[in-house]
Amino acid sequence: NAGVTQTPKFQVLKTGQSMTLQCAQDMNHEYMSWYRQDPGMGLRLIHYSVGAGITDQGEVPNGYNVSRSTTEDFPLRLLSAAPSQTSVYFCASSRDGPYEQYFGPGTRLTVT
Amino acid sequence: GDSVTQMEGPVTLSEEAFLTINCTYTATGYPSLFWYVQYPGEGLQLLLKATKADDKGSNKGFEATYRKETTSFHLEKGSVQVSDSAVYFCALMKGDNFNKFYFGSGTKLNVKP
Repeated sequence: NAGVTQTPKFQVLKTGQSMTLQCAQDMNHEYMSWYRQDPGMGLRLIHYSVGAGITDQGEVPNGYNVSRSTTEDFPLRLLSAAPSQTSVYFCASSRDGPYEQYFGPGTRLTVT
Repeated sequence: GDSVTQMEGPVTLSEEAFLTINCTYTATGYPSLFWYVQYPGEGLQLLLKATKADDKGSNKGFEATYRKETTSFHLEKGSVQVSDSAVYFCALMKGDNFNKFYFGSGTKLNVKP
């Protein structure tokens, strides 16, 4: 099993550009989530999904969209990138809610 | 509000030294507590957990005891190895809700041979 995969590993965007961070899992987990990590701070929840077709907002959802059309995939869309979105983004999946989450290796995004 | 506070790093130790990484929490009620580890170039993975007061979580030689009286969940290991070099995150969860899951800022551990 590949576990949770994220692409790309690194990305540089200009202010105002849009892009999609990809996340996929092959463990048939119902739950998936997106976090961002900023220096000196813990991971903060952006959006999460409790199953295909169901998503909800986390602590910091503004500027991001998600959808969950399949169990395996949970892409994160930045609609109009801003420098404040410079961060490391982690995707995670789990079988039983937030108890034991499996994380991908992260995407490092820089917005100039 | 609910939160987790970890000691700042990096922590640098020699191989076979004793490790303590402090974690304290602020929360009402009885949260569940976790330690996650992130090895270089990888995603976070669950290291251990405790779901009620006085529980001890353990895994791979690491231990942490849920102390409600001191609101702490310190991570310990008796003899660290170079392969333990990683970033360690303390976390708490209240209820079965992603929006009630809080991570600390992480503590980087460097172990020198």
